[in-house]
Amino acid sequence: AQRVTQPEKLLSVFKGAPVELKCNYSYSGSPELFWYVQYSRQRLQLLLRHISRESIKGFTADLNKGETSFHLKKPFAQEEDSAMYYCALGFTGGGNKLTFGTGTQLKVEL
Amino acid sequence: DTAVSQTPKYLVTQMGNDKSIKCEQNLGHDTMYWYKQDSKKFLKIMFSYNNKELIINETVPNRFSPKSPDKAHLNLHINSLELGDSAVYFCASRNNRGTGELFFGEGSRLTVL
Repeated sequence: AQRVTQPEKLLSVFKGAPVELKCNYSYSGSPELFWYVQYSRQRLQLLLRHISRESIKGFTADLNKGETSFHLKKPFAQEEDSAMYYCALGFTGGGNKLTFGTGTQLKVEL
Repeated sequence: DTAVSQTPKYLVTQMGNDKSIKCEQNLGHDTMYWYKQDSKKFLKIMFSYNNKELIINETVPNRFSPKSPDKAHLNLHINSLELGDSAVYFCASRNNRGTGELFFGEGSRLTVL
């Protein structure tokens, strides 16, 4: 079965420190991986997807098929990065379904 | 010009009641979803409709009945509400020919007393 694991429920870092939010997935085919973010009192929105290989708000994520990981990284955390981050897995034949991880709450402290 | 809108945003009701949440998207997307976010912030898919046709129906009690009158609308009706139904319900839509991105509504917070 398809599964997404985010081992950290809460990650607390100081402003300016590097951030890494972990995500591992379980799927034997060709996955589509996404990171979604939910800022306080706002709707979930797409942060980035592995296909586009882009950097958004300083965040990057590389798909590592060998380790089945899609960790989210940022070299220097900002206060406005504090939010809930969800890793999500889409897959062929999944009926357009996205399976979400349990989420990691990132707290950036001054 | 909100892309995905849900009503109501907040709903407080007694156990045993029946309630509905409505969702509309003006993005012209083909697929719409209902997700449930529980108190631990777990986000789990409930239903998905593609062009008014049900394509995903996860293990959800049959007290939950989605209805899609047209591809721009997906409503969720819940019968005989239970305490465990308290959650935030998110509607989302997706363009099948696009990038795969889901566009979410703001959520409807349901509290069952």
